[in-house]
Amino acid sequence: EIVLTQSPDFQSVTPKEKVTITCRASQSIGSSLHWYQQKPDQSPKLLIKYASQSLSGVPSRFSGSGSGTDFTLTINSLETEDAATYYCHQSRTLPLTFGGGTKVEIK
Amino acid sequence: EVQLAESGGGLVQPGGSLRLSCAASGFTFSSYWMHWVRQTPGKGLVWVSRINGDGSSTSYADSVKGRLTISRDNAKNTLYLQMNSLRAEDTAVYYCAREQGGGIAPIDCWGQGTLVIVSS
Repeated sequence: EIVLTQSPDFQSVTPKEKVTITCRASQSIGSSLHWYQQKPDQSPKLLIKYASQSLSGVPSRFSGSGSGTDFTLTINSLETEDAATYYCHQSRTLPLTFGGGTKVEIK
Repeated sequence: EVQLAESGGGLVQPGGSLRLSCAASGFTFSSYWMHWVRQTPGKGLVWVSRINGDGSSTSYADSVKGRLTISRDNAKNTLYLQMNSLRAEDTAVYYCAREQGGGIAPIDCWGQGTLVIVSS
């Protein structure tokens, strides 16, 4: 099973700050790494697919990078609506796995 | 608009059974692989099972193999999860989810979830 380790677990950030979340895979997964945002009492929402591909409707302040085992989600100029938990997810091999999540709180 | 609507959750005793349903609309259901993903209250996401478009191929997490069964009825645009021999550790919100591609793509759409509580 591929283990995805996210860091940090929690981050308290002021608006307009830059946020960086990392996800490390226990073995190489190429670019089969995706990022989700989950707000309280909501289902997850796909933010970035295949490590760095942006999606229609997702604000341009969200970006992703990385390949192999190390990946990064960056939120440039954080907005209050970005308060949420962020998860990485690999679709390379079964069982599909998710990172433990990073909770982003607005100061 | 793509919509996934789960139903069938509730309180069940250990060892009991439950069947979850997920009604899909807004897309050609039979063309997509579908998944069940669960989330323990306050915890992270755990993949449970997936099924291909025509229902001929299924996969399961080891923790549910032999107890949970995924299926689909493409005529009714509905995904199912039959849950047998339930355990306390199966307590979670169960999400129905659509995969973008052929078995190796990201999940791009999620339902609102249905809560299953296994307790005596």
